[in-house]
Amino acid sequence: ETGVTQSPTHLIKTRGQQVTLRCSSQSGHNTVSWYQQALGQGPQFIFQYYREEENGRGNFPPRFSGLQFPNYSSELNVNALELDDSALYLCASSLGDKTEAFFGQGTRLTVV
Amino acid sequence: AQSVTQLDSQVPVFEEAPVELRCNYSSSVSVYLFWYVQYPNQGLQLLLKYLSGSTLVKGINGFEAEFNKSQTSFHLRKPSVHISDTAEYFCAVIAMDSNYQLIWGAGTKLIIKP
Repeated sequence: ETGVTQSPTHLIKTRGQQVTLRCSSQSGHNTVSWYQQALGQGPQFIFQYYREEENGRGNFPPRFSGLQFPNYSSELNVNALELDDSALYLCASSLGDKTEAFFGQGTRLTVV
Repeated sequence: AQSVTQLDSQVPVFEEAPVELRCNYSSSVSVYLFWYVQYPNQGLQLLLKYLSGSTLVKGINGFEAEFNKSQTSFHLRKPSVHISDTAEYFCAVIAMDSNYQLIWGAGTKLIIKP
């Protein structure tokens, strides 16, 4: 059973650019959530996808968008990057069950 | 809405000493409670969770936590820490009537002194 994998592990972008982060969920998991973790803080919920539909969103602007594919893998897209978008982005998958989420290693995004 | 407060940003403790990491939450509905650990430059790993039943929950790596509904607390404990426990620990909740949004505390860095 493979775990949650995220790519890339590190990324440097320039302010104003766009970025796509990818997540492969754990085998059989149909729910993917994305979190932003700024340095020294706890994660903040961005949004969640269940069977390719967004079914929950945190307090993030529309330039944060996502997709979930039929194989339940997912993408997080961020447009018009700002310096404050620099953070660790974490993906978590679960089996349509809120009692346990499995996290990937994260993508460290630096915006300069 | 829910919120989670971790009262200590850092907890230094000597190796082989006991430790308690404190977590309090606020919620108008019932919640599930979790502790996750984050080792340097890694993602989050579930330590333990409280869903229902016995208020004392045992997790991995010798950790345990006790759910106290009247005090809205879920403190994490370990009777004897090791250097390998050096990490950041996060308390989180999910409201039972919500989707799967985890609400997180700010984290507590556990610093083990030799």
